[in-house]
Amino acid sequence: GESVGLHLPTLSVQEGDNSIINCAYSNSASDYFIWYKQESGKGPQFIIDIRSNMDKRQGQRVTVLLNKTVKHLSLQIAATQPGDSAVYFCAERTGANSKLTFGKGITLSVRP
Amino acid sequence: SAVISQKPSRDICQRGTSLTIQCQVDSQVTMMFWYRQQPGQSLTLIATANQGSEATYESGFVIDKFPISRPNLTFSTLTVSNMSPEDSSIYLCSVVIQGGNTEAFFGQGTRLTVV
Repeated sequence: GESVGLHLPTLSVQEGDNSIINCAYSNSASDYFIWYKQESGKGPQFIIDIRSNMDKRQGQRVTVLLNKTVKHLSLQIAATQPGDSAVYFCAERTGANSKLTFGKGITLSVRP
Repeated sequence: SAVISQKPSRDICQRGTSLTIQCQVDSQVTMMFWYRQQPGQSLTLIATANQGSEATYESGFVIDKFPISRPNLTFSTLTVSNMSPEDSSIYLCSVVIQGGNTEAFFGQGTRLTVV
């Protein structure tokens, strides 16, 4: 079946640097994408989303980029802080109210 | 957004027994889902909890093992039946809000250990 996956299992960055987390998806029919952050012992927390009719969306310190040509999604975190240390998941959906399919997850570790 | 309360937050259970996990939302929601997250892994959808009808199960999950109820628009339960150590996992309730954006919100999860 089609799936969503991540390129790297772990990412270590220096505090203050920018972080880029990448995600590849294979379902060309997906029209909605979400990034989640999961801290230890907690459920996934919504970070930012993007619809397939967009290629970029910005939030507070975060930017999501969508490249439908190569089916690639990325999350950029500016000025990474220790509180950004967590596992990050990309997820995709096909159509409103349909289920989310999650990628494998990547651990972001911020060095002081 | 939605506030999702899951109970219990964690439990240690004997093999062969069953555990029912409750999910309560503070507002009416369109969709409710149950996910499993095994240690160090991503989230896998177990089923969609349908209000007033049988849940829709994903491949590899069956009603006899994971019976689900959803009596109204704000509440659902997931039962893990006849547990084995392989069922040790985090179980997460997720909702999509009626009339809101389509992102899914998650409860804090139930950490289950089967011994």
